[in-house]
Amino acid sequence: GENVEQHPSTLSVQEGDSAVIKCTYSDSASNYFPWYKQELGKGPQLIIDIRSNVGEKKDQRIAVTLNKTAKHFSLHITETQPEDSAVYFCAASSGHTGGFKTIFGAGTRLFVKA
Amino acid sequence: NAGVTQTPKFQVLKTGQSMTLQCAQDMNHNSMYWYRQDPGMGLRLIYYSASEGTTDKGEVPNGYNVSRLNKREFSLRLESAAPSQTSVYFCASTGGSTYNEQFFGPGTRLTVL
Repeated sequence: GENVEQHPSTLSVQEGDSAVIKCTYSDSASNYFPWYKQELGKGPQLIIDIRSNVGEKKDQRIAVTLNKTAKHFSLHITETQPEDSAVYFCAASSGHTGGFKTIFGAGTRLFVKA
Repeated sequence: NAGVTQTPKFQVLKTGQSMTLQCAQDMNHNSMYWYRQDPGMGLRLIYYSASEGTTDKGEVPNGYNVSRLNKREFSLRLESAAPSQTSVYFCASTGGSTYNEQFFGPGTRLTVL
């Protein structure tokens, strides 16, 4: 079946450094790629997303890139801060009759050391 | 505007017991979802409801049933709980168009002994 692989599972960076999380997907029909941040004890929250007709999108310190040919997409966080510490999930979604099929990666636990 | 709410927040069950997890959203969303989250496995879809009156199986539906009570509410029922159902359960909703973020509830942590 379709799947999304996410790497690394754990990432530790120094405050101010950049963090990169990479995902690959298998379903060619995927056309929407959201990234979610999950803080301890809370539900995931969308931080940025990208659609299949766009190669890159940036929102302040966060950027996402998409390579549809290679089925890769990545999250880039620059100038990391302690409050960026959380679990990040990538996902790939495709339209589906009567519903929406979203497959999530296993998550990356990011630690930002002050 | 509370978004997506879930009850209870925590629950401990014995094997074989039954329970219903409640979810409600106040965003007038058409679609609602139930996920389970296990360590190292991300979020896996149990059931979803594309619109009021419809429900469909997701990736891991065995051992669960759902009810879309109305547009706001979507419940998840465990008829005979098993230790393998120990997990954190999240409810989510979307507005219904092709590209839409999912809004998640705070989760229910369920332990089955």
